[in-house]
Amino acid sequence: SAVISQKPSRDICQRGTSLTIQCQVDSQVTMMFWYRQQPGQSLTLIATANQGSEATYESGFVIDKFPISRPNLTFSTLTVSNMSPEDSSIYLCSAGQGQSYEQYFGPGTRLTVT
Amino acid sequence: ELKVEQNPLFLSMQEGKNYTIYCNYSTTSDRLYWYRQDPGKSLESLFVLLSNGAVKQEGRLMASLDTKARLSTLHITAAVHDLSATYFCAVAFTSGTYKYIFGTGTRLKVLA
Repeated sequence: SAVISQKPSRDICQRGTSLTIQCQVDSQVTMMFWYRQQPGQSLTLIATANQGSEATYESGFVIDKFPISRPNLTFSTLTVSNMSPEDSSIYLCSAGQGQSYEQYFGPGTRLTVT
Repeated sequence: ELKVEQNPLFLSMQEGKNYTIYCNYSTTSDRLYWYRQDPGKSLESLFVLLSNGAVKQEGRLMASLDTKARLSTLHITAAVHDLSATYFCAVAFTSGTYKYIFGTGTRLKVLA
């Protein structure tokens, strides 16, 4: 299994600012993903973080708003840019590995935009 | 459009009872995952189902996969309060890239 840490665990930010969330995995993994989860809701995939190339974004999410980096096989960042209150949510990083592509999740970052 | 639906969305049950959560998905996949999420926590992997007919069991939970019907079930046997949580299924798709689509979630409350 993979152990995933995220920083920060929570933050309160002002409208119009940006926040970068870091995701660190304790081993090299094939796939890394970023999700958003609104309170009481399911997880929505934002993008797949590709090592050494541009992330693959899902419909409704764009690089200008959610730039993602993945410089190596153990680390990724998600930036939430020009934030508005609608960006208030929990952001989860995950990693998939192994033949079963089992997915492991970080503890999440709780973001509040005021 | 890729859709993964769970039912019921909410489930309140008495301790000792049995119940089944259903997960339907809209397109071909042979990989399905079940997760548990406690309030304020992240997701914990419960089961990985990798082929048609796969069945996995852990304690009072048993998961199965029917890829032809595009259906997975999570069966709860003799529920206990500690099983109270939200349960998600997630289906893996390859559409240019490998990704997971999550179901709507089932919030389970087991009453003592």
